Amino acid sequence: EAGVTQFPSHSVIEKGQTVTLRCDPISGHDNLYWYRRVMGKEIKFLLHFVKESKQDESGMPNNRFLAERTGGTYSTLKVQPAELEDSGVYFCASSHRLEAGYGYTFGSGTRLTVV
Amino acid sequence: AQSVTQPDIHITVSEGASLELRCNYSYGATPYLFWYVQSPGQGLQLLLKYFSGDTLVQGIKGFEAEFKRSQSSFNLRKPSVHWSDAAEYFCAVGPRGSTLGRLYFGRGTQLTVWP
Repeated sequence: EAGVTQFPSHSVIEKGQTVTLRCDPISGHDNLYWYRRVMGKEIKFLLHFVKESKQDESGMPNNRFLAERTGGTYSTLKVQPAELEDSGVYFCASSHRLEAGYGYTFGSGTRLTVV
Repeated sequence: AQSVTQPDIHITVSEGASLELRCNYSYGATPYLFWYVQSPGQGLQLLLKYFSGDTLVQGIKGFEAEFKRSQSSFNLRKPSVHWSDAAEYFCAVGPRGSTLGRLYFGRGTQLTVWP
């Protein structure tokens, strides 16, 4: 079974530019999550999709972040315009059950650096 | 509010020594409890989880964790550390009965292993 795939693995952009991160979940996993870790801090929840619908987006930091999940398959997270404080590692996870953390599989993350 | 505390940011041990990584949580009811590990360039890998039952949980790679309700703790242990255990370790909690499935993470503990 293929795991959760994220790309790019690294991205360096200038402040004010736009970046789009992509996550391909495990096939058949309806639940898809985005998390972010800013350096030295905890991994924080951003949002949760169930199929193509946003179940919970309470962790999105502001309206510069836009997440989509096309047809309930892969998801993208766009940051526009990027700010310095957006730097960090963005993780995606998917699961087949809604129960908290049950069956989660994480991707290897996208390291975003805004300069 | 939910919170997860990992008081040790960085721990160094010699290969073959025992290891204990601390985790305390603050939550209204006993949540689901998890330990994840992240090796360089890898995603978050689940080491073990506690849902119910026996409070001593066995995981992969020879790790175990003990849930202590009275102390709101879920400490991770390994009797003899191997050099390949050098990584960052994250404790996480997930609310029971939630329809959201999100996890709350600690800040992580970086483990260095001396040969």
